[in-house]
Amino acid sequence: AQSVAQPEDQVNVAEGNPLTVKCTYSVSGNPYLFWYVQYPNRGLQFLLKYITGDNLVKGSYGFEAEFNKSQTSFHLKKPSALVSDSALYFCAVRVYNFNKFYFGSGTKLNVKP
Amino acid sequence: KAGVTQTPRYLIKTRGQQVTLSCSPISGHRSVSWYQQTPGQGLQFLFEYFSETQRNKGNFPGRFSGRQFSNSRSEMNVSTLELGDSALYLCASSLSPDETQYFGPGTRLLVL
Repeated sequence: AQSVAQPEDQVNVAEGNPLTVKCTYSVSGNPYLFWYVQYPNRGLQFLLKYITGDNLVKGSYGFEAEFNKSQTSFHLKKPSALVSDSALYFCAVRVYNFNKFYFGSGTKLNVKP
Repeated sequence: KAGVTQTPRYLIKTRGQQVTLSCSPISGHRSVSWYQQTPGQGLQFLFEYFSETQRNKGNFPGRFSGRQFSNSRSEMNVSTLELGDSALYLCASSLSPDETQYFGPGTRLLVL
């Protein structure tokens, strides 16, 4: 069965510090991996995705994620956090030619000034 | 390009009623998926449509149904509403089923 885990319900970081939001996955087949962000009372906004190629993927708003096949992880990172990055972050996985996205439970990122 | 639009944005219904939610995908997108988001269960997949055909369905009762029209617009229907159906219903569209999904703002349904 396919699944995604976000082990931290909440991540707290000070503005200007680097941030990491963790994601691990379990799939049978080649994974397509995604990060989305959700602001209060809004839909999900696409941040970045990994399909194939370079393990380090750069996305919107200065975010990047590193695909690690051996650890089955796809952690979201940003070198310097902003207060405006405070939101709910979702990791998602899709297996090629399998018609479903699997979402993690979400991680609330709090960036304090 | 306009994003995914969902109507209505907010809805209040009472138990036993039925409701229809609408989703207009990004122009050119032919795949539409629906999700239910609740604080307790997170994001749960409802169903996916591509070229007017339902390609996959999540683990929801038969009260939840959907359809897709020839212009790729999609509707989902929930009959005999229950209190537990209160949630944010999100629609996402993509060019095809394996492409990146782009989400609409959601319809917030409150069942009283």
